[in-house]
Amino acid sequence: AQKITQTQPGMFVQEKEAVTLDCTYDTSDQSYGLFWYKQPSSGEMIFLIYQGSYDEQNATEGRYSLNFQKARKSANLVISASQLGDSAMYFCAMREGGNTNAGKSTFGDGTTLTVKP
Amino acid sequence: DAEITQSPRHKITETGRQVTLACHQTWNHNNMFWYRQDLGHGLRLIHYSYGVQDTNKGEVSDGYSVSRSNTEDLPLTLESAASSQTSVYFCASSEAQDYEQYFGPGTRLTVT
Repeated sequence: AQKITQTQPGMFVQEKEAVTLDCTYDTSDQSYGLFWYKQPSSGEMIFLIYQGSYDEQNATEGRYSLNFQKARKSANLVISASQLGDSAMYFCAMREGGNTNAGKSTFGDGTTLTVKP
Repeated sequence: DAEITQSPRHKITETGRQVTLACHQTWNHNNMFWYRQDLGHGLRLIHYSYGVQDTNKGEVSDGYSVSRSNTEDLPLTLESAASSQTSVYFCASSEAQDYEQYFGPGTRLTVT
């Protein structure tokens, strides 16, 4: 069963507007971590934001915030004030609990975001 | 500055040949990972290591092997390259389980 689901293959947003990229996950562990990465057309993978399962507050990093709804098992990425440079593919990833899974992440299939001028 | 590098960046090889992709990091991270990314998809874990002499299989490990003789390097070997192994390969490292992974620039491998 897919553990990370990103249901939006492609999204469009107008420059300066906010956009939400969806991510749902499946795990039976109580301890886990959720990550978002950005992959521009140049191909590199860039870390954006992290949320731990026990974190009570939603994570924020500049224009990025993570809307974490634990009961619904969702970890949506919100990008505020979109910029043309935000056009990229975005991946949600999850690390499940336990020391044997230290750092090992499962990735979703990604969402391609296009920012329109 | 610390970094993670991969070589070669592009490789074309023939079916049946052995191929080794290099990954070198200067972050002094214990955790290292190899992923493959196929067109239009996310990353799938091939092998990973939590330290010197430690290696583990990921979800798509068949046909691949790794070895970890020092902290800095985790080379990935394709024992007998197959066309299904045409992909972009990413190496990554992380400090600890709740820290982000730092990715190399990727190696585009084509098996003809």
